[in-house]
Amino acid sequence: DAGVIQSPRHEVTEMGQEVTLRCKPISGHDYLFWYRQTMMRGLELLIYFNNNVPIDDSGMPEDRFSAKMPNASFSTLKIQPSEPRDSAVYFCASSFSAASGNTIYFGEGSWLTVV
Amino acid sequence: AQSVTQLDSQVPVFEEAPVELRCNYSSSVSVYLFWYVQYPNQGLQLLLKYLSGSTLVESINGFEAEFNKSQTSFHLRKPSVHISDTAEYFCAVGSSQGNLIFGKGTKLSVKP
Repeated sequence: DAGVIQSPRHEVTEMGQEVTLRCKPISGHDYLFWYRQTMMRGLELLIYFNNNVPIDDSGMPEDRFSAKMPNASFSTLKIQPSEPRDSAVYFCASSFSAASGNTIYFGEGSWLTVV
Repeated sequence: AQSVTQLDSQVPVFEEAPVELRCNYSSSVSVYLFWYVQYPNQGLQLLLKYLSGSTLVESINGFEAEFNKSQTSFHLRKPSVHISDTAEYFCAVGSSQGNLIFGKGTKLSVKP
């Protein structure tokens, strides 16, 4: 299996621009997670989906952030408008239910810099 | 509510020395515990996990962790570390909602 695939790997954008991060989960997994990692705040769960339905978006920082999962093989995380404080590494991950002890598999991350 | 506490944010150690990275958890439901490792500029990857059975679990690269229910701990150990073990290590507990609750991570720095 190719693993969780994220794109772009690196993006530099100007403040105010829209940013779209993409994720293809591992085939067959029914959970998809978006995390953000920064030096200051560490690893934060932003939102996660089960069977394409958002389950918990309480970690989404504000209305500028939105996430969608139109089908089982694709998800996006959008920031509009972007701000310098959004600079971080954004990870997508997928799994079968971790409540049963299943492993969550992470992508390589999307490194976002907002200038 | 479930939570994970990693007591040390940074652990410096010399090569070939033993190391222990501490993790305590809080959970009122069935406990599934994980250690993930993040090498520089990479994503997190599973190191080992405890589901049930033997309380001592091992990874393929010499790490081991012991589930201690009475102390609610899942400490990670290695008897002799290598330079290549330099990474950030995250402890996590599986939640009843289907996600993982992560600790804040411990940065292991192995010096020659």
